[in-house]
Amino acid sequence: DAGVTQSPTHLIKTRGQQVTLRCSPISGHKSVSWYQQVLGQGPQFIFQYYEKEERGRGNFPDRFSARQFPNYSSELNVNALLLGDSALYLCASSRAGGRNTEAFFGQGTRLTVV
Amino acid sequence: GENVEQHPSTLSVQEGDSAVIKCTYSDSASNYFPWYKQELGKGPQLIIDIRSNVGEKKDQRIAVTLNKTAKHFSLHITETQPEDSAVYFCAALIKAAGNKLTFGGGTRVLVKP
Repeated sequence: DAGVTQSPTHLIKTRGQQVTLRCSPISGHKSVSWYQQVLGQGPQFIFQYYEKEERGRGNFPDRFSARQFPNYSSELNVNALLLGDSALYLCASSRAGGRNTEAFFGQGTRLTVV
Repeated sequence: GENVEQHPSTLSVQEGDSAVIKCTYSDSASNYFPWYKQELGKGPQLIIDIRSNVGEKKDQRIAVTLNKTAKHFSLHITETQPEDSAVYFCAALIKAAGNKLTFGGGTRVLVKP
């Protein structure tokens, strides 16, 4: 079975632009979470979606938004990019939302803002 | 909110020796504690986890212990091998906050052959 897949793997954007990152969870998993990992730090929680509904939001500005589709895949959008948005964006897939189930990560999308 | 502290930030061990990484958490409502291994250029890989109703869990060369009273948990790797070299992250989850994982700052482990 395929694991969590994210696209693209790398991306370079200019300040002020908008970006959309994509994630496909493990088959059978209904929950997707997004994390931002700045170099040298642990991942920071951005959003969690379960059954297409937002279940949690981290301490990120409104420039960050996400959604989950009927097939449980998800998109993360970031508007008005800043240099500080440069990071590895990780998607995690888990079987259920709101319960302490295992979360499995994709390989991430490396976003560089110049 | 939850806060997770992880020590040490770097750890160098000789092949065959043991490695221990310790984490403390702040919110007593945390009830699930996974550990992840992250290799260069890859996403975090779940290697072991423990739930709040268990004090210890072992899987081959790795084990995790949990002390709920003291609010700390530890990862133990025995008989380390060069392929154990990576960055390790602990995390804590609060059930009431959904599946939000709060991560420690990471430990870079280097196993010297």
